Amino acid sequence: DTAVSQTPKYLVTQMGNDKSIKCEQNLGHDTMYWYKQDSKKFLKIMFSYNNKELIINETVPNRFSPKSPDKAHLNLHINSLELGDSAVYFCASSHHPGTGGAEQYFGPGTRLTVT
Amino acid sequence: GENVEQHPSTLSVQEGDSAVIKCTYSDSASNYFPWYKQELGKRPQLIIDIRSNVGEKKDQRIAVTLNKTAKHFSLHITETQPEDSAVYFCAASRGNNRLAFGKGNQVVVIP
Repeated sequence: DTAVSQTPKYLVTQMGNDKSIKCEQNLGHDTMYWYKQDSKKFLKIMFSYNNKELIINETVPNRFSPKSPDKAHLNLHINSLELGDSAVYFCASSHHPGTGGAEQYFGPGTRLTVT
Repeated sequence: GENVEQHPSTLSVQEGDSAVIKCTYSDSASNYFPWYKQELGKRPQLIIDIRSNVGEKKDQRIAVTLNKTAKHFSLHITETQPEDSAVYFCAASRGNNRLAFGKGNQVVVIP
């Protein structure tokens, strides 16, 4: 009965490699997000999708490419990994916030370590 | 864009005492203010939220107050317990997809 799940939980890889993180939610939400949490715990939005449509694309290097095959999935592909990409990546989902805001449900996170 | 400042960065309280975390925001159009709790190694989870048409909201030992004029909102935790030890994030939004988070506040409850 997991609400928002991510795989893998841990990812250790070398600089220059390409990797993907998968996210799935079974809450029936139509909005999904990717956040990056750095070593200082700062949570920063990277991307947001409404009904598979990209709504937010923050100033993220274009090495990061999200893909939403359907409303329940939002994957994150990272090319040419760099040391600075090391962080915890959280997927989240919510009902469409409309104009009133909506609770975001976070996945367990993927700890990415680039060596 | 929205800028959310959170103070203090670390707060230690004796078990049973109250804890207060304050946040300020910059965008007067923000109308949704959630608080998330993140325990060590876990995911952030919503504990309480408030919308701009309300000045205060309570849920058991947790309360949030909002001052729209001064553009600040606060989280109050009463009768703190060891399980309240965590990082607390405030956030602000215009009610759309974009949530701007504060940098987090580490609360340590000393038994």
